Amino acid sequence: NAGVMQNPRHLVRRRGQEARLRCSPMKGHSHVYWYRQLPEEGLKFMVYLQKENIIDESGMPKERFSAEFPKEGPSILRIQQVVRGDSAAYFCASSPGTPRSQETQYFGPGTRLLVL
Amino acid sequence: GIQVEQSPPDLILQEGANSTLRCNFSDSVNNLQWFHQNPWGQLINLFYIPSGTKQNGRLSATTVATERYSLLYISSSQTTDSGVYFCAVSGAGSYQLTFGKGTKLSVIP
Repeated sequence: NAGVMQNPRHLVRRRGQEARLRCSPMKGHSHVYWYRQLPEEGLKFMVYLQKENIIDESGMPKERFSAEFPKEGPSILRIQQVVRGDSAAYFCASSPGTPRSQETQYFGPGTRLLVL
Repeated sequence: GIQVEQSPPDLILQEGANSTLRCNFSDSVNNLQWFHQNPWGQLINLFYIPSGTKQNGRLSATTVATERYSLLYISSSQTTDSGVYFCAVSGAGSYQLTFGKGTKLSVIP
């Protein structure tokens, strides 16, 4: 049973380019979460998605960042016109999406974004 | 929002020693997880423990929800235990995990 998959594992972009980070949840999981770990800072929640729906994007910067989780395929976190301050590790997590409110979130290996 | 404090921030242990890491949180929680971030940056799930006690090998965890704290015990530490240990919680009605700043553990031979 494969875990949460993220790709690429490392991504280098120049300022002004776009970054696309992909996340495939664990098999059978329908809830996806994105977190960001900035250097010298803790992990911070960005967005929570279910299939075709954004449930909570309260942690997402208002500009340049967007996320989607289409009916088919992985979840995508998209950063437009990247700046050096976007350099960070981006983690995706997934959970089963059962009716219970308490659910373990399983984390992927992360994508390390470096903006030159 | 909910606040999470971890202590100690740094811990250096001799191989074979035992340790206790603490996580205090400011409100009632419906989810509490402990993670180990290894030196390669991967986040490893250790425990899902909003209440009660669990054990997995040399690791165990206890959460006393009424007193708003959780403890992670590491026994007979090994060099591979080195890394940062994070506690993360979510409050009632929320799915987003709030992480503490972590405890950086270094186990020396």
